[in-house]
Amino acid sequence: EAQVTQNPRYLITVTGKKLTVTCSQNMNHEYMSWYRQDPGLGLRQIYYSMNVEVTDKGDVPEGYKVSRKEKRNFPLILESPSPNQTSLYFCASSSQRAGPTDTQYFGPGTRLTVL
Amino acid sequence: RKEVEQDPGPFNVPEGATVAFNCTYSNSASQSFFWYRQDCRKEPKLLMSVYSSGNEDGRFTAQLNRASQYISLLIRDSKLSDSATYLCVVLSGGYQKVTFGIGTKLQVIP
Repeated sequence: EAQVTQNPRYLITVTGKKLTVTCSQNMNHEYMSWYRQDPGLGLRQIYYSMNVEVTDKGDVPEGYKVSRKEKRNFPLILESPSPNQTSLYFCASSSQRAGPTDTQYFGPGTRLTVL
Repeated sequence: RKEVEQDPGPFNVPEGATVAFNCTYSNSASQSFFWYRQDCRKEPKLLMSVYSSGNEDGRFTAQLNRASQYISLLIRDSKLSDSATYLCVVLSGGYQKVTFGIGTKLQVIP
């Protein structure tokens, strides 16, 4: 089954404790992206990757890191989480080399709470 | 001004009604446009792409007006199952920059 998976789905952590949210897709997509969704602000792009070893900042990259060592995986790293990073996070992938000109497939989301 | 603006609603409509949403965008160089549907904090799913010539998929019609910089979504004969949040998505910057509107919430009432 074609899908985007994220782990963990729910996470409660404390300020400053490094964490990684994994994202994996099995559709051989070039484009992958991370978003956060907050009430009243909608989905905002954190980082995106056009292909392996190619990553770029989105609108809200501060406090986040990403890597794209393999085509299928695009982990999101919070080196020192803070309460303002409490949010619902979505990973997405798309097949178009030029960018997500076609359907973006989203993972189920990761609900993160930073105390 | 926000890059992509939507009326958050909620729009409460009776079953069978026709409802329309608009979404305005500020970057005249924007290249691609989409409507996504999101159910209750679940993942967004593509509803339809929006083409310059307009396009229709069953009860759903999407239109793009480049001159006035807005896209629209028309839903005819609303069903209870259409209750969701509808997200406007705009691509720009060589198709790499993805901007979502905050979404318009639709509640179809029996």
